[in-house]
Amino acid sequence: DIQMTQSPSSLSASVGDRVTMTCRASQSISNYLNWYQQKPGKAPKLLIYEASSLQSGVPSRFRGSGSGTDFTLTISTLQPEDFAAYYCQQSYTTPLTFGGGTRVEIK
Amino acid sequence: EVQLVESGGGLVQPGGSLRLSCAASGFTFSSYWMHWVRQAPGKGLVWVSRINSDGSSTSYADSVKGRFTISRDNAKNTLYLQMNSLRAEDTAVYYCARDGVYAIPDFDYWGQGTLVTVSS
Repeated sequence: DIQMTQSPSSLSASVGDRVTMTCRASQSISNYLNWYQQKPGKAPKLLIYEASSLQSGVPSRFRGSGSGTDFTLTISTLQPEDFAAYYCQQSYTTPLTFGGGTRVEIK
Repeated sequence: EVQLVESGGGLVQPGGSLRLSCAASGFTFSSYWMHWVRQAPGKGLVWVSRINSDGSSTSYADSVKGRFTISRDNAKNTLYLQMNSLRAEDTAVYYCARDGVYAIPDFDYWGQGTLVTVSS
């Protein structure tokens, strides 16, 4: 199975900050990487697909990058509604696997 | 508007069975692959199973293989997950999710989830 490792597991930030989180795959997955946002008690929401493509309706402050084994999700200017958990997920092969998540908390 | 509504969760004893349903609307259900994803309380997301658009092909996580069966009824726009030989570690919120239209598998729409608790 492909292991997905996210770092950090949590971070504290303020509204207006630039936030970056990373996701590393245990083997190359090309661009077969998606990012999701999940708020407490809610279902996840697709933010980025194919490593860098913005899902329809998602604000442009979210940006995904990377290829191969190393990927990054950046939030350019953190907004109050962005405090949530973020998960990466590989679609290169089954079993489809998620990272452990990065929780973005209010400083 | 795309909607996915899960039902069928609840409390079940270890070794018991449960069938989850996911009613789909707002899109042509028979054209999409579908998935089940679960999340144990306070934990991360785990993919469980997927089924292709006509139901002829399925795949499972090793942790549920041989115990869970995914199926669909395209005439009823409904996805199912039959869960047998349930264990305490199967306790989780179970989400159904649609596989999107892009080149790689992704989960572009999710239901609200249904909680399955396995306990004596």
